[in-house]
Amino acid sequence: DGGITQSPKYLFRKEGQNVTLSCEQNLNHDAMYWYRQDPGQGLRLIYYSQIVNDFQKGDIAEGYSVSREKKESFPLTVTSAQKNPTAFYLCASSFLVSPNQPQHFGDGTRLSIL
Amino acid sequence: ELKVEQNPLFLSMQEGKNYTIYCNYSTTSDRLYWYRQDPGKSLESLFVLLSNGAVKQEGRLMASLDTKARLSTLHITAAVHDLSATYFCAVAYYGGATNKLIFGTGTLLAVQP
Repeated sequence: DGGITQSPKYLFRKEGQNVTLSCEQNLNHDAMYWYRQDPGQGLRLIYYSQIVNDFQKGDIAEGYSVSREKKESFPLTVTSAQKNPTAFYLCASSFLVSPNQPQHFGDGTRLSIL
Repeated sequence: ELKVEQNPLFLSMQEGKNYTIYCNYSTTSDRLYWYRQDPGKSLESLFVLLSNGAVKQEGRLMASLDTKARLSTLHITAAVHDLSATYFCAVAYYGGATNKLIFGTGTLLAVQP
C-alpha cells in the first residue's frame, strides 16, 4: 500500500543538539511539506518542496533545515537554533497540480526536550 | 495574508443532535479541504471542495463551500460518539500551483452519550 512513513515516532533532543526527522513517501507525489502542530492549535507550515533539489520556506522556517535529494524523501533537521522545538511534526505530500487530491499525511513525530 | 478562522473552537454535543462548524477565510480561494484528527494521530482527509456551491456528504457529515462569502460549513447530523475528534479546515492559496494550505485552529468535537 502507498503511503507516507515518518520516523521515529518519538524523539528526544538534548540542548544544543541537532536532530533529523525522516519522511519517506511512495505515492509518487511531486510536492512534500513539513508542518508543526502545537497542543490545541492548527498546523503551521515549516518548509515545502515542489521538486527535487528545490525547497521553499514556509511560515515558521527559522531554526529548521531540509533537503530534497530524492523525490521520495524530505528529511527535516531541527537545529539547536530552534529554541522551542517541543511539538508534533507532520510530513505531507501531494501531486503538484491536482487540486482534487488532498495532501496526504504521515503519522507524525513527537519531539520533546530532555 | 490568508487567515483561516474556525468556530467554535470546542463543541460538546449530545448523541443524536445536529450542529454546524464554520470556517471563514480572509482572501479569495477556490479550494478548501476538511480533515479529521483523532488524539495523537495524523490527519485524515474528509472532503475536497473546489467550487462555489460545492456540497459533499459522507455519512453523518456534510460540507459546503460559498466562495463569495468565503465560508465553508461542516454539518453534523445525528451525532454519534465515533465522530468525536478535532476537525480542521484548510484553505489553499488562490491560483497557486503548489497546493499550499493554511489551516484553521481546529474544532474539538466531543459527542456525549
